[in-house]
Amino acid sequence: AQSVTQLGSHVSVSEGALVLLRCNYSSSVPPYLFWYVQYPNQGLQLLLKYTTGATLVKGINGFEAEFKKSETSFHLTKPSAHMSDAAEYFCAVRPISNFGNEKLTFGTGTRLTIIP
Amino acid sequence: NAGVTQTPKFRILKIGQSMTLQCAQDMNHNYMYWYRQDPGMGLKLIYYSVGAGITDKGEVPNGYNVSRSTTEDFPLRLELAAPSQTSVYFCASSALGGIGEKLFFGSGTQLSVL
Repeated sequence: AQSVTQLGSHVSVSEGALVLLRCNYSSSVPPYLFWYVQYPNQGLQLLLKYTTGATLVKGINGFEAEFKKSETSFHLTKPSAHMSDAAEYFCAVRPISNFGNEKLTFGTGTRLTIIP
Repeated sequence: NAGVTQTPKFRILKIGQSMTLQCAQDMNHNYMYWYRQDPGMGLKLIYYSVGAGITDKGEVPNGYNVSRSTTEDFPLRLELAAPSQTSVYFCASSALGGIGEKLFFGSGTQLSVL
């Protein structure tokens, strides 16, 4: 069974500072990896995903994440935080399958606060 | 530009009452999902459907029922509401449910059972 762990339920950074949100997965085979963002009173939106190929993945709004197989990690970063980045971020994993019907498993989320 | 539409946005139920949460998508997606979101717990899958007439249980199906008579609609039924069902419910859809497939989420239904 696969699982995903997000370290830190709350992260605060100053505007303009580096954003680092941590995600580790547990799976016998590296899964597909996703980051979703949830703005207040809204549903989740896909930020970025890793399936195959280049391990550094770029997403929307200046975010990127790097898949590191040796560390079983998929941490999310952004060089310079903006006030509009305040939201809750969810890491999610999906096992590799030939059937196409495997479900996402979500982490517990990290609430990002930006300090002016 | 509607995407995934959920109704109602808010609802308060008394213990033992029943209700249906509505979900509709206009993207002709085959796959649809119901999640519940509890503080500090992330999202848990309740039920999902891979097409009209086909549904299956997720992680936390007890106390819920679903049906999928059309591609567009995927209602979630709560029978005999209990306080443990107080949560925020999200409906989502995807085109194929396959590799790296992006989920589109509705804006959620906040349900309180008192």
